[in-house]
Amino acid sequence: GQSLEQPSEVTAVEGAIVQINCTYQTSGFYGLSWYQQHDGGAPTFLSYNALDGLEETGRFSSFLSRSDSYGYLLLQELQMKDSASYFCAVRVGTDKLIFGTGTRLQVFP
Amino acid sequence: DAGVIQSPRHEVTEMGQEVTLRCKPISGHDYLFWYRQTMMRGLELLIYFNNNVPIDDSGMPEDRFSAKMPNASFSTLKIQPSEPRDSAVYFCASSPSGRRSYFGPGTRLTVT
Repeated sequence: GQSLEQPSEVTAVEGAIVQINCTYQTSGFYGLSWYQQHDGGAPTFLSYNALDGLEETGRFSSFLSRSDSYGYLLLQELQMKDSASYFCAVRVGTDKLIFGTGTRLQVFP
Repeated sequence: DAGVIQSPRHEVTEMGQEVTLRCKPISGHDYLFWYRQTMMRGLELLIYFNNNVPIDDSGMPEDRFSAKMPNASFSTLKIQPSEPRDSAVYFCASSPSGRRSYFGPGTRLTVT
């Protein structure tokens, strides 16, 4: 079967940097994605890593180590609007996405 | 493009009633996914289609749930009969490939 682990909650202050970790156990791994979901909203895509290394998109970066079955999402220069839930998701096979339980990020002024 | 469209946005029904959720994927996307989200179980993949063909329905909870995709622009998820434990937010998502999924706004289902 597949399993993903990520912290349930993280808190930080505006302007800070926060890292959300994700470890996974799965077969047929193709890549690791990150999605953001605000309360009452739908998940929205943030990033996708298929290969080891760091991918940077603006204030957000995502890292993958396939050998360690580990990845993280790094959020820099935190803003209040970044308060949301963040989900890692593994791509299993060519087209199936399995989501983690989500990390609730609270940003304080 | 208007994005993934789901209807209704909210549904309140009584136990035992039939519920039909609808989804219009983004044009040109080959994949369509149905997810269910609850506090207890998180975001669960129920079923997905590729080119209108069901590929994996292993996440469908039981025979009360069924999904169809009669054409590339429409899919339904039906629950018959509905039960209180089916209360959740149901998301439809579409994707041109396996890399990135585009989610609809969701249908909040309450079964009393």
